[in-house]
Amino acid sequence: SQKIEQNSEALNIQEGKTATLTCNYTNYSPAYLQWYRQDPGRGPVFLLLIRENEKEKRKERLKVTFDTTLKQSLFHITASQPADSATYLCALTNSGYALNFGKGTSLLVTP
Amino acid sequence: GAVVSQHPSWVICKSGTSVKIECRSLDFQATTMFWYRQFPKQSLMLMATSNEGSKATYEQGVEKDKFLINHASLTLSTLTVTSAHPEDSSFYICSAKSGKNSNQPQHFGDGTRLSIL
Repeated sequence: SQKIEQNSEALNIQEGKTATLTCNYTNYSPAYLQWYRQDPGRGPVFLLLIRENEKEKRKERLKVTFDTTLKQSLFHITASQPADSATYLCALTNSGYALNFGKGTSLLVTP
Repeated sequence: GAVVSQHPSWVICKSGTSVKIECRSLDFQATTMFWYRQFPKQSLMLMATSNEGSKATYEQGVEKDKFLINHASLTLSTLTVTSAHPEDSSFYICSAKSGKNSNQPQHFGDGTRLSIL
């Protein structure tokens, strides 16, 4: 069956450090992968999209890698800030428009 | 840009009531809208996909007669939970996207917290 797995435990890091979140998938052949941020009681907000032929993508303090051989994506936040505290969702699609989401990883950045 | 408005943000009602949730794309035309349900500490589960002017496509296990979806225009989709029961209590979120390319991101509303007593 198809699975999208993210770190189930919350990630606690100190302000200024780099946070690294993992997304592993099975039985998908995605052409691209997306990362979203979700705050409590809010809808997800799109952050980054990376295509299968892209190894790495950056946006300000965010960096995403995509390894289709390992079937894994890593999401990095450098120089993390307390405002980065949220749940981060990995999402991909097998075909068409519909996105399938992982459960998300909760990130807490402490001052 | 790409703002999606969802209304109401929360609803509390008695068992047996039907509840309508609206999802609007405010500054773009949404060719496709999606409805998700999210239980606490769980991932978003896709319920249905709707294209403007056509019938919604429901995911396996989602009752189309219970969750009525209408996508009457390029900026509005509605989800009606008919004869809601306590087990329907959840966080319902809509999203919208424009264009035909499947790799474009989805833009989400802020969700509707539905509590059935």
